Amino acid sequence: GPKVLQIPSHQIIDMGQMVTLNCDPVSNHLYFYWYKQILGQQMEFLVNFYNGKVMEKSKLFKDQFSVERPDGSYFTLKIQPTALEDSAVYFCASSLASIQDTQYFGPGTRLLVL
Amino acid sequence: GDQVEQSPSALSLHEGTGSALRCNFTTTMRAVQWFRKNSRGSLINLFYLASGTKENGRLKSAFDSKERYSTLHIRDAQLEDSGTYFCAAVASSGSWQLIFGSGTQLTVMP
Repeated sequence: GPKVLQIPSHQIIDMGQMVTLNCDPVSNHLYFYWYKQILGQQMEFLVNFYNGKVMEKSKLFKDQFSVERPDGSYFTLKIQPTALEDSAVYFCASSLASIQDTQYFGPGTRLLVL
Repeated sequence: GDQVEQSPSALSLHEGTGSALRCNFTTTMRAVQWFRKNSRGSLINLFYLASGTKENGRLKSAFDSKERYSTLHIRDAQLEDSGTYFCAAVASSGSWQLIFGSGTQLTVMP
């Protein structure tokens, strides 16, 4: 099936540093998503992105978070500065169409903030 | 409270048997997806339903928006079916997000 790739698979950083998580979505997909899963908790929606704009974000999408997809390259989630509570697995997803279409998920990036 | 309530949280089956997983929704949902998380933690797509039922091999899923539930039936379970299964629903309020259930950990035993 369609594959979403995420780079890196693991990242360890010190609190206060900036981190960028990269997502390579399915090639012809137009809608992109980030989800966050803290260890032992349910996966939760962060944000979705279409046509260069944030379409919806949750309360977990703090001011320190930003997303972009410059020139059709990676879809990125940047956290600046990071906090201890940002430690989680971050999953990227993409879909061809909007909410009426299947979301395909990447394998996740495990972020540990020390 | 949680909008997506998934049950059971854990399930053990012997090879060749079957069972059903269920997700109840506290509000009307537009569509549901079912996933299996593999040993590497990746989410494998099983089904997307906006209504009705779909079948794929030994798996069958149903979604009833009006009655606010979805089910995933597994028949003739095999060892490789072991894993954690998740449902996730799209709210009908115009939202874009998937709301995940807490998962069902399935163990298939010889």
